[in-house]
Amino acid sequence: SAVISQKPSRDICQRGTSLTIQCQVDSQVTMMFWYRQQPGQSLTLIATANQGSEATYESGFVIDKFPISRPNLTFSTLTVSNMSPEDSSIYLCSVSDKNTEAFFGQGTRLTVV
Amino acid sequence: AQKITQTQPGMFVQEKEAVTLDCTYDTSDPSYGLFWYKQPSSGEMIFLIYQGSYDQQNATEGRYSLNFQKARKSANLVISASQLGDSAMYFCAMREGQGGKLIFGQGTELSVKP
Repeated sequence: SAVISQKPSRDICQRGTSLTIQCQVDSQVTMMFWYRQQPGQSLTLIATANQGSEATYESGFVIDKFPISRPNLTFSTLTVSNMSPEDSSIYLCSVSDKNTEAFFGQGTRLTVV
Repeated sequence: AQKITQTQPGMFVQEKEAVTLDCTYDTSDPSYGLFWYKQPSSGEMIFLIYQGSYDQQNATEGRYSLNFQKARKSANLVISASQLGDSAMYFCAMREGQGGKLIFGQGTELSVKP
């Protein structure tokens, strides 16, 4: 199974600022995903990040708010831009290289004040 | 459209007893996979078990087993011999075809009583 290192594990940020979350995998993977989990809610996919192409965003999520980079097959970043308290959530990256697998990083618990 | 439903917001179980967490799904794709995850209060998502739509046998992983009823479109998680450390949120998820992304249910909060 892939080992995923995600950081920061938590942060408290001022509204109007941006935070970049990093996701590092110990092996090369084709597909990486970014999810958001709002307080008391389930996980919702933000976007799919494939190396060498633009990220594919789900309905309700836009690149200007959640820019994503995928410079190689082991690394990705998600930026939460111009934050507001409504962005307070857990953000999780996930990788999958086999249909039978889907592993997650430890998550980033973001609080916007 | 694909959908995952977990109808039990919260469940209680006595330590050492077995518990079943319900999950039903809806999809028109004949090829799909079903996943269960445990999320403790720390927030990480811990993979528990996987069942493919074409798998003939129900999946098992240690104390976890998946009761896969394909005709009923249900994929219930059975935890045997519950432990205090099993107290957490549990999420059922589905992946259609080769798409990669997961759709999650609303989760069930399991509390194990000593």
